[in-house]
Amino acid sequence: NAGVTQTPKFQVLKTGQSMTLQCAQDMNHEYMSWYRQDPGMGLRLIHYSVGAGITDQGEVPNGYNVSRSTTEDFPLRLLSAAPSQTSVYFCASSYSITPPVENTQYFGPGTRLTVL
Amino acid sequence: AQSVTQLGSHVSVSEGALVLLRCNYSSSVPPYLFWYVQYPNQGLQLLLKYTTGATLVKGINGFEAEFKKSETSFHLTKPSAHMSDAAEYFCAVSGGGTSYGKLTFGQGTILTVHP
Repeated sequence: NAGVTQTPKFQVLKTGQSMTLQCAQDMNHEYMSWYRQDPGMGLRLIHYSVGAGITDQGEVPNGYNVSRSTTEDFPLRLLSAAPSQTSVYFCASSYSITPPVENTQYFGPGTRLTVL
Repeated sequence: AQSVTQLGSHVSVSEGALVLLRCNYSSSVPPYLFWYVQYPNQGLQLLLKYTTGATLVKGINGFEAEFKKSETSFHLTKPSAHMSDAAEYFCAVSGGGTSYGKLTFGQGTILTVHP
């Protein structure tokens, strides 16, 4: 298994540009999520999905869109990039969100995004 | 609502010394607690987790943590630090019900290990 994969690893955008961060997992996990990591703030949840066709907002959703058409993929879209979106983005997945089934989240390697 | 506070954004120890990273949480339901480690320019790797049962949890690389409900704490320890332990450590909590799948992270603690 490749686990959770993310592309690209690095990206530089200009303010106002759009782009999609890709995330895929091959573990047949129900739950997928996107976090952003900023210095001194830990990781904050942007959006999450409990299965194909179902998404919801996390703590910091503004400026980001998601969709989940398949179990494997969960792309994150920036519609009009802003300097405040400069961050490291992590995708994560877990088998289930229903206790007592395993809910450990497995993280991808991250995408480092800079918005100029 | 749930939250996590990690006491100390930077901790420095000598090689061979005890490592103690502090984590306090708040949760309105019985929590599930996690410690993750992040090495430079890498993703997060699970060190250990507490779900139910035994309150002393052993993880990888010689780390362990004890869940203390009365103190709402889940501190991470390692008896003897190694240079390879230098990394950033995150404590995280998830709750029951609709919060089961959502992780709330602390702000992280950077561990430095001196020779």
